Amino acid sequence: AQSVSQHNHHVILSEAASLELGCNYSYGGTVNLFWYVQYPGQHLQLLLKYFSGDPLVKGIKGFEAEFIKSKFSFNLRKPSVQWSDTAEYFCAVMGDTDKLIFGTGTRLQVFP
Amino acid sequence: NAGVTQTPKFQVLKTGQSMTLQCAQDMNHNSMYWYRQDPGMGLRLIYYSASEGTTDKGEVPNGYNVSRLNKREFSLRLESAAPSQTSVYFCASSDWTEANYGYTFGSGTRLTVV
Repeated sequence: AQSVSQHNHHVILSEAASLELGCNYSYGGTVNLFWYVQYPGQHLQLLLKYFSGDPLVKGIKGFEAEFIKSKFSFNLRKPSVQWSDTAEYFCAVMGDTDKLIFGTGTRLQVFP
Repeated sequence: NAGVTQTPKFQVLKTGQSMTLQCAQDMNHNSMYWYRQDPGMGLRLIYYSASEGTTDKGEVPNGYNVSRLNKREFSLRLESAAPSQTSVYFCASSDWTEANYGYTFGSGTRLTVV
């Protein structure tokens, strides 16, 4: 069965700080990987996704993620966060079905 | 605007009452899903429907039933609500063409069972 672990439950940063959110998955086959963002009071929106090819994926709003197969990881990064990045971030994995399995989420707070 | 529409947005139920959460998508997607979101637990899949006429259980199906009425609509029913079902419920649909690979989520239904 597929599973996803997000070890950072709550991250607090100042504006302009760099961000890295961890995501590890468990699945033996080919996976598709996703990062979603949920701004306060809103629904989930897709930040970026990985299917195949270049393991460094660039998404919207300056976010990127790197797929490291040997580490079963898909960490999310941003060089310089803004107050508007305050949100909850979810990593998700899809294996051989079209069901997304989500991690428990990381709450990011950015202070001016 | 194209997307996933959920109704109602908010609902308060008494223990034992029943209700149906409605979901409709206008993107001609084949697959539809119901998730619940609880603090510290992320999103957990309740039921999904890979195509019109089919439904399957997800991680947490107990206490729920679903109906895929047609390609557009996928409803979630609570037959006898319990406080443990207090949650935010999200419907989603998916398109697996290469360009649009991913889920589109509705805006959610915040349900409180007292």
